[in-house]
Amino acid sequence: DAGVIQSPRHEVTEMGQEVTLRCKPISGHDYLFWYRQTMMRGLELLIYFNNNVPIDDSGMPEDRFSAKMPNASFSTLKIQPSEPRDSAVYFCASSFAGLLNLKGGYTFGSGTRLTVV
Amino acid sequence: KQEVTQIPAALSVPEGENLVLNCSFTDSAIYNLQWFRQDPGKGLTSLLLIQSSQREQTSGRLNASLDKSSGRSTLYIAASQPGDSATYLCAVTALPHDYKLSFGAGTTVTVRA
Repeated sequence: DAGVIQSPRHEVTEMGQEVTLRCKPISGHDYLFWYRQTMMRGLELLIYFNNNVPIDDSGMPEDRFSAKMPNASFSTLKIQPSEPRDSAVYFCASSFAGLLNLKGGYTFGSGTRLTVV
Repeated sequence: KQEVTQIPAALSVPEGENLVLNCSFTDSAIYNLQWFRQDPGKGLTSLLLIQSSQREQTSGRLNASLDKSSGRSTLYIAASQPGDSATYLCAVTALPHDYKLSFGAGTTVTVRA
């Protein structure tokens, strides 16, 4: 298995532009998580899905952020319009219900480094 | 709101020395605690998971202890090697079916050859 695949690996965009980050979870996993990592705030959960349904989006910073999971094999995180303070590394992780409370239950992607100038 | 703190923020030791990394959390009502390793440009890899009913977990040179009542966990890495250089993060889960991980900021470890 190729693991959790995120694209792009790096994104540089100008303030005000729309940014779309993509994630392909591990096949068979029914949970998908989006995290954001910054120096100031560390790793924060933005939103997570179970069976393609958003369960908790309380970490989504504001209306500029939206996430979708149209099917079990694909999710997007969109920022529109982007701002310099959105610069961070965005991680996607997936899991299976029976694994979540076990070591190694979460598989993280390698992240997308977003820079908004 | 759960706050997770890791001290120190960075640590540099010579090869062979034992490492001690600390994690504290404000709300002792946790379900489990995990230690992760993060390498530059990579995702997170789970190292150890301790259920709230457990006191410690061991995996090879790694040992993690948990004192839930005082809100503390410690990760020990014995006989450190340059390959142990990475950022180590601890994370707690609050409830059995609440899968949000609350992370600390991490400790960046450098093991000098």
